[in-house]
Amino acid sequence: KQEVTQIPAALSVPEGENLVLNCSFTDSAIYNLQWFRQDPGKGLTSLLLIQSSQREQTSGRLNASLDKSSGRSTLYIAASQPGDSATYLCAVASNDMRFGAGTRLTVKP
Amino acid sequence: GAVVSQHPSWVICKSGTSVKIECRSLDFQATTMFWYRQFPKQSLMLMATSNEGSKATYEQGVEKDKFLINHASLTLSTLTVTSAHPEDSSFYICSASGVGRNEKLFFGSGTQLSVL
Repeated sequence: KQEVTQIPAALSVPEGENLVLNCSFTDSAIYNLQWFRQDPGKGLTSLLLIQSSQREQTSGRLNASLDKSSGRSTLYIAASQPGDSATYLCAVASNDMRFGAGTRLTVKP
Repeated sequence: GAVVSQHPSWVICKSGTSVKIECRSLDFQATTMFWYRQFPKQSLMLMATSNEGSKATYEQGVEKDKFLINHASLTLSTLTVTSAHPEDSSFYICSASGVGRNEKLFFGSGTQLSVL
């Protein structure tokens, strides 16, 4: 059974810092990996989708990498802003979709 | 882009009543829909996977007779919480994917259920 772990559970940084969120998974036989953000009381917003054949995807200040063989993905956020404050979830698609517990990010002005 | 519509956003009901939550894909055919539940300060937990025209596959520990899932068409899946109790109060969210497993997953906006 696929298990997805995210580290750290919470992260607080001053505005402007670059930061990295980590996601690891136990079964490397995946179809894709997706990063989401969740704002309190709201649904999920998809940020980046990496297919199993890809190594990274970029969107604006966000860059996600995937190392399938080692079961790891990172989400890099450049020049963080207070509006980036949210919970970030990674989800791994294999036979189903498994989520990590998320990293709660706070960017302080 | 693709949009998934989920209704209602909020529902408050009395204990013992049933609540139906709808999840619609607005501009694509959703061959697979997933239903998740999230308790406060916890991660999303997959409840069940439904494929159009077939019975849903439930995760271990999820009562299929309590959480009825119907995926009768390629654009609509419903989750009915039968005889709801306060412990069923949670945030429920659906997601849908189109043809092929490499399709991106799109999420509804979620339903906050409060059972009194």
